[in-house]
Amino acid sequence: NAGVMQNPRHLVRRRGQEARLRCSPMKGHSHVYWYRQLPEEGLKFMVYLQKENIIDESGMPKERFSAEFPKEGPSILRIQQVVRGDSAAYFCASSEGTGGTYEQYFGPGTRLTVT
Amino acid sequence: SQQGEEDPQALSIQEGENATMNCSYKTSINNLQWYRQNSGRGLVHLILIRSNEREKHSGRLRVTLDTSKKSSSLLITASRAADTASYFCATSRYNQGGKLIFGQGTELSVKP
Repeated sequence: NAGVMQNPRHLVRRRGQEARLRCSPMKGHSHVYWYRQLPEEGLKFMVYLQKENIIDESGMPKERFSAEFPKEGPSILRIQQVVRGDSAAYFCASSEGTGGTYEQYFGPGTRLTVT
Repeated sequence: SQQGEEDPQALSIQEGENATMNCSYKTSINNLQWYRQNSGRGLVHLILIRSNEREKHSGRLRVTLDTSKKSSSLLITASRAADTASYFCATSRYNQGGKLIFGQGTELSVKP
């Protein structure tokens, strides 16, 4: 059973470009969470999605950031017009259910560098 | 606001010794999970302990939860150099869809 998969593992973008990060949850998991980790810090929640629905986006910046989890295919975190402050590691996690009663399993992360 | 805070921030021990890391939180929780992160890598899930549980074991790991003190501890017995990593606690609260609130982590160094 493959774990959570993320790609790309490393992404370099110039300021103003778009970054697109992909996450495939574990088999059988329909709940996806995105977190961001700035250097030397813990992870910060960004958004929680189920298939075709955004459940909680309270941690997502209001501008330039968006997320989706379509019926088919991976979840996508999109960052438009990237700035240097967006440089961070972005982690995706998936779980079998919700309500905070299930383990969340994390992918290896995408390390975004904005030059 | 910071939900989980680990203590100590850094811990250095010799191989074979036990390592204890603590986590405190501020509000009522549904469960608490511990994760390990090796430098530059993803997070590995260690243990989930629910709010109605007091202790859980997994191999050399022992986790306790004291909801009256709003604290948890992670004990690694007979540590190995391969245990060198950062350890994070993460809490989830009722009616918040399972999103995890992470602490800043404890950086553990196990010297051979």
